[in-house]
Amino acid sequence: QSVLTQPPSVSGAPGQRVTISCTGSSSNIGAGFDVHWYQQLPGTAPKVLIHGNTDRPSGVPDRFSGSKSGTSASLVITGLQADDEADYYCQSFDSSLRGSKVFGGGTKLTVL
Amino acid sequence: EVRLLESGGDLVPPGGSLRLSCAASGFIFSGYAMSWVRQAPGKGLEWVSTISGTGDATYFADSVKGRFTISRDQSKNTLYLQMHSLRAEDTALYYCAKDQGHPLENYFFDHWGQGTLVAVSS
Repeated sequence: QSVLTQPPSVSGAPGQRVTISCTGSSSNIGAGFDVHWYQQLPGTAPKVLIHGNTDRPSGVPDRFSGSKSGTSASLVITGLQADDEADYYCQSFDSSLRGSKVFGGGTKLTVL
Repeated sequence: EVRLLESGGDLVPPGGSLRLSCAASGFIFSGYAMSWVRQAPGKGLEWVSTISGTGDATYFADSVKGRFTISRDQSKNTLYLQMHSLRAEDTALYYCAKDQGHPLENYFFDHWGQGTLVAVSS
């Protein structure tokens, strides 16, 4: 059972918009800690997509955006493309465990 | 260019020990915290351990506390994970990752290695 809760799967057609949610609690997201998002393409290492709730590293298309409110965060992907098909993970910090970084369980995005 | 290259993964029996290494290049190694993150076959990501840039602070997930130690050799730009009392549930691909951000609570992983596979089985 992951500390951060994500939907196991989402799907969308090319060109559409999808949202992946990440729900935490008052000891992690709700405590004000940043949320970060990673994309893991099949057979590859994860890559940071969004850090600090909303910031995109250079090279990440602006089709990817992040937001945070209360005890939840969201990753929005617009203009879906076939190569967006991947697993997506949110990550934050939990103050109930010393030094503990925590991940969501991951969401599999399928492009129909 | 930042590069992280893990090694040391192997098949070990339950109760065994193993040391993983991560050779880092392309950045000032001593200036950054470093972490290990693992992924069991077909499962999600799990943070394992973090060590500060100076090496004087270490953090562990409850699942490995007391069994794993993390260390770094600044002269060799290398990160280590010493694993003892290995269990079947430790079977995973172990990634080395470079930490970024400030403060500690807002760290994220800005670069990842390709991983090294640890299999615990008799």
